[in-house]
Amino acid sequence: QKEVEQDPGPLSVPEGAIVSLNCTYSNSAFQYFMWYRQYSRKGPELLMYTYSSGNKEDGRFTAQVDKSSKYISLFIRDSQPSDSATYLCAMGRSYNTDKLIFGTGTRLQVFP
Amino acid sequence: GAVVSQHPSWVICKSGTSVKIECRSLDFQATTMFWYRQFPKQSLMLMATSNEGSKATYEQGVEKDKFLINHASLTLSTLTVTSAHPEDSSFYICSARDRSGRASTGELFFGEGSRLTVL
Repeated sequence: QKEVEQDPGPLSVPEGAIVSLNCTYSNSAFQYFMWYRQYSRKGPELLMYTYSSGNKEDGRFTAQVDKSSKYISLFIRDSQPSDSATYLCAMGRSYNTDKLIFGTGTRLQVFP
Repeated sequence: GAVVSQHPSWVICKSGTSVKIECRSLDFQATTMFWYRQFPKQSLMLMATSNEGSKATYEQGVEKDKFLINHASLTLSTLTVTSAHPEDSSFYICSARDRSGRASTGELFFGEGSRLTVL
């Protein structure tokens, strides 16, 4: 079993839809949870960061962490074609961790 | 935000040759840089942790003699793929952590990646 599981998609939605992206994990020691966006042939860029359980909102993006279920989510409201990218979840045990474990990434396509 | 630059962004080489990839932090000093490899439709796999002025720490299963890492300054780390073979073809990405602690959120700044194709 992988430490982090993420559905690779692809996920195709119309513009304006609410998108839900999810990851599950097996290591209960993970405390820090990140979502990265990666455009084709580019390096990942950090979208959201959360510590432990709870919600965090930033504009159209909301990150949720449910440690009891070992489940994290990223919601994108009013999705735009420019949101089309691969979204990777990542997690680590401490904020100074040198090792993040990444999911495989979910490819999202938002069509006009 | 902080910028991490990789060069070259794309390289094609013949089997048996060596290829060097550079990773530079442009506006901050990075005591630690990380090298990842990403195969199509797969996640980023950490290959090694590069520490300025000391030997790199390699992840299990990564051949240190094949993937040579040098971190000679606070702004530059290099990855050399020696005697490259077609199975080494992949997307190599570096990331860096700001020495000043700007990455207190745990953020790593990623380079744009280098696509290696070995013929």
